[in-house]
Amino acid sequence: QQQVKQSPQSLIVQKGGISIINCAYENTAFDYFPWYQQFPGKGPALLIAIRPDVSEKKEGRFTISFNKSAKQFSLHIMDSQPGDSATYFCAVRRGTDKLIFGTGTRLQVFP
Amino acid sequence: DGGITQSPKYLFRKEGQNVTLSCEQNLNHDAMYWYRQDPGQGLRLIYYSQIVNDFQKGDIAEGYSVSREKKESFPLTVTSAQKNPTAFYLCASRPILAGVYNEQFFGPGTRLTVL
Repeated sequence: QQQVKQSPQSLIVQKGGISIINCAYENTAFDYFPWYQQFPGKGPALLIAIRPDVSEKKEGRFTISFNKSAKQFSLHIMDSQPGDSATYFCAVRRGTDKLIFGTGTRLQVFP
Repeated sequence: DGGITQSPKYLFRKEGQNVTLSCEQNLNHDAMYWYRQDPGQGLRLIYYSQIVNDFQKGDIAEGYSVSREKKESFPLTVTSAQKNPTAFYLCASRPILAGVYNEQFFGPGTRLTVL
């Protein structure tokens, strides 16, 4: 049973455009929602994370939007750059339990 | 990659051989994890450990074994029982502090190819 569903599987965006990646979860007990960025041949790195008591968190060009009632959260990359081309994973966690990852979105930003 | 070291970066083995992947961290983290990543798929948890001398199976533990004899080390053995061992293996660690959202750090990964 897939506890977190991520979409789209791949995304192509023009330089300067907005990239949007979505994740949906089932368990309302989850209380930590991170996004990871992974470049080819490298390990994932934490990009930004949100707790369920806020609806939005912004760090530079990256924003998480969180909709608790819909059990969805999304990553927005404003002014997308070729250097943002990577695979992005959402994840969920309850307390000190293990992270559960989405299947990933491959983002390609073309100049 | 923080203070997590995985070695080697690339590993080639013949079918039927056991192979051990190394993971060391100097972050004094309590918990350590092993994930497997295949093309187009997410990260699947193999094993994890929250304390020395204790570990739990993840979602795809069959054909793998681990040990946690030291806090800083969590080696993974891919046995001959693992039917499709060719993959990218990622080690991760994080502290366990009550009431705090603890970030999980990943190592650089080991790409295992079984010939």
